[in-house]
Amino acid sequence: KQEVTQIPAALSVPEGENLVLNCSFTDSAIYNLQWFRQDPGKGLTSLLLIQSSQREQTSGRLNASLDKSSGRSTLYIAASQPGDSATYLCADAGGTSYGKLTFGQGTILTVHP
Amino acid sequence: ETGVTQSPTHLIKTRGQQVTLRCSSQSGHNTVSWYQQALGQGPQFIFQYYREEENGRGNFPPRFSGLQFPNYSSELNVNALELDDSALYLCASSPGGSLGEKLFFGSGTQLSVL
Repeated sequence: KQEVTQIPAALSVPEGENLVLNCSFTDSAIYNLQWFRQDPGKGLTSLLLIQSSQREQTSGRLNASLDKSSGRSTLYIAASQPGDSATYLCADAGGTSYGKLTFGQGTILTVHP
Repeated sequence: ETGVTQSPTHLIKTRGQQVTLRCSSQSGHNTVSWYQQALGQGPQFIFQYYREEENGRGNFPPRFSGLQFPNYSSELNVNALELDDSALYLCASSPGGSLGEKLFFGSGTQLSVL
C-alpha cells in the first residue's frame, strides 16, 4: 500500500525566503508525482506534474524535483511572498486505477510580511 | 479555471439522511474520480468512473455510490450519513485511457453532518 508523507507539517517564514517542502513515498512504481496548492476550504490547484521519466519541472518561482530511487520529491519556492501562504499537497499516481492519486497530508505554509 | 464545477458548494445534513453531490466534468473527459478530504488531512480516493462504469474503488463502504452520465456529469451519493462523513468532497476529471494522466479538480462541496 502506497504511503505519502510530507515534512514539515507546517512552516512559517518571512517574506523573501527561499524554502523547500519535502514529500516521500514508499512505492517507487509511480507514473507521476504532482504538487498542488490548496487555499482554506477550497479545491486543489495543480502547480507542477513530474512524469516518472523526468527529474524536475519548473514554473516561475517553483521548481519540483523527483528521485524515484529514493522515493522523494521536493518543491522549491524561491523568494516567497505572502500570497504563497496556503497548504501544499503532493500526490502520486500509481496502481491500476487511472484516476487514483495518493496524497500526503500537506504542509501548511505561512509567509509573513 | 479547471472547467470542472461542483454543486452545491456547501451542504448541511443530519445523521442518517442521504445526500447527492454533483460534478460537471470538462467536455471530452471520460473519467471522473471522487475524493473525500477530512479537515487537516489529504484527500482520500473514494472511487473512479470511466465511461459510466466504476473502475476502481478506495476503502469506502458501499453506502458511498456513484453515477456517471453521458453528458459528462456525475453524482456521488452517500446513504445513512454518519458524523464522520463531514468533509470536503472533491471531484476530478481526466480524458481517460492513460495511466498517470493529469486530473483536473473542482472546487469541492463542503458537507457538514450534524
